[in-house]
Amino acid sequence: DQQVKQNSPSLSVQEGRISILNCDYTNSMFDYFLWYKKYPAEGPTFLISISSIKDKNEDGRFTVFLNKSAKHLSLHIVPSQPGDSAVYFCAASAQGAQKLVFGQGTRLTINP
Amino acid sequence: DGGITQSPKYLFRKEGQNVTLSCEQNLNHDAMYWYRQDPGQGLRLIYYSQIVNDFQKGDIAEGYSVSREKKESFPLTVTSAQKNPTAFYLCASTPRRAGGIGELFFGEGSRLTVL
Repeated sequence: DQQVKQNSPSLSVQEGRISILNCDYTNSMFDYFLWYKKYPAEGPTFLISISSIKDKNEDGRFTVFLNKSAKHLSLHIVPSQPGDSAVYFCAASAQGAQKLVFGQGTRLTINP
Repeated sequence: DGGITQSPKYLFRKEGQNVTLSCEQNLNHDAMYWYRQDPGQGLRLIYYSQIVNDFQKGDIAEGYSVSREKKESFPLTVTSAQKNPTAFYLCASTPRRAGGIGELFFGEGSRLTVL
């Protein structure tokens, strides 16, 4: 049972344009969401998070949007840069839980 | 520098052999985790530990074992019972929070290939 789903395995975007990565979840108890970025043969690094009491959180070029009614979140990267090429994972946790549930990942490629 | 160290980075083993992957952290974090990454399947939780001498099974614990004798260390043993052990293994840690888990800090990973 995949509680966190990233339905796009890959995404290709031109440098300077907006990248939008999507994530859906099924567990209504999830109240904290995170995005991680991962390069090949390295560990994931934390990008940005959002609590369910908010619908938007920004950090520089990265913005995460949360739509609780649709159980959907998205990560916007503006403008996209070549160094953004990586696999992006969304993750979620429920109140009081001590583990994160990850999606399958989306491979983002930024083309010059 | 504070961080999480996984070793070895690459490991080759013959089928039927047990192997142990090391994970050490000097972040003074209470909770530690082992995830496995396979292509197209994201990160799946194997085991986690919130405190010394205690650990819980994750979603795919079969064929794996762990120990948590010290706060800094959380080694993972891949036993011969694990049917498909070839994968990229990630160790992570986080401070323990009353309200639930926060950000996980990951090591660089260990790639295990079983021949």
